[in-house]
Amino acid sequence: QVQLQESGPGLVKPSETLSLTCTVSGYSISSGYYWGWIRQPPGKGLEWIGSIYHSENTYYNPSLKSRVTISVDTSKNQFSLKVNSVTAADTAVYHCARLPQSGAAAGTLDYWGQGTLVTVSA
Amino acid sequence: EIVLTQSPGTLSLSPGERATLSCRASQSVSSSYLAWYQHKPGQAPRLLIYGASSRATGIPDRFSGSGSGTDFTLTISRLEPEDFAVYYCQQYGSSRYSFGQGTKVEIK
Repeated sequence: QVQLQESGPGLVKPSETLSLTCTVSGYSISSGYYWGWIRQPPGKGLEWIGSIYHSENTYYNPSLKSRVTISVDTSKNQFSLKVNSVTAADTAVYHCARLPQSGAAAGTLDYWGQGTLVTVSA
Repeated sequence: EIVLTQSPGTLSLSPGERATLSCRASQSVSSSYLAWYQHKPGQAPRLLIYGASSRATGIPDRFSGSGSGTDFTLTISRLEPEDFAVYYCQQYGSSRYSFGQGTKVEIK
């Protein structure tokens, strides 16, 4: 059973860097699949942040690209998100997910973490 | 960028009733890359439908998806108490993902 769990600070000050980690169990992230981050601001819908494959290929939402970095640590079976220069608009529940690129479910997000709330406030 | 617009924003129905949710794209979407998710507060979103009409593993057959091009539909044939939630459509293209704003299915 593939499981994903987000972790990181729940409170970040404006202008600082938001850092989250997603720990994957039940599957080795070095075995394949893209892995990604999605967020949901309070009262709003889901927004894709970006995706990564084997530390080689990264894709980011153009609206966030200048401030976002996604990386992989295969030794810990984890991948991470950094968002620089945060503002109150970055307050959201952040989810990590697995993103199949091949097979019948290609283009979906087939396993998700339950999400972690990050509040940007002084 | 493809924008997905879902309607209605909220659907108020009773258990046992049929729910029909719409997702309209600003330009044509490959049916292979149109999915639906169920999301309950505090939980991980759950993949329901992929490829516009294929049910994901373990999804009951009361959930069905249809459509092509720019118009897609999620139908729940008979609402069960556990089906009251927010539903999102999602498309994939050019290595990017986008979601609709969601339809909340609430108990009438």
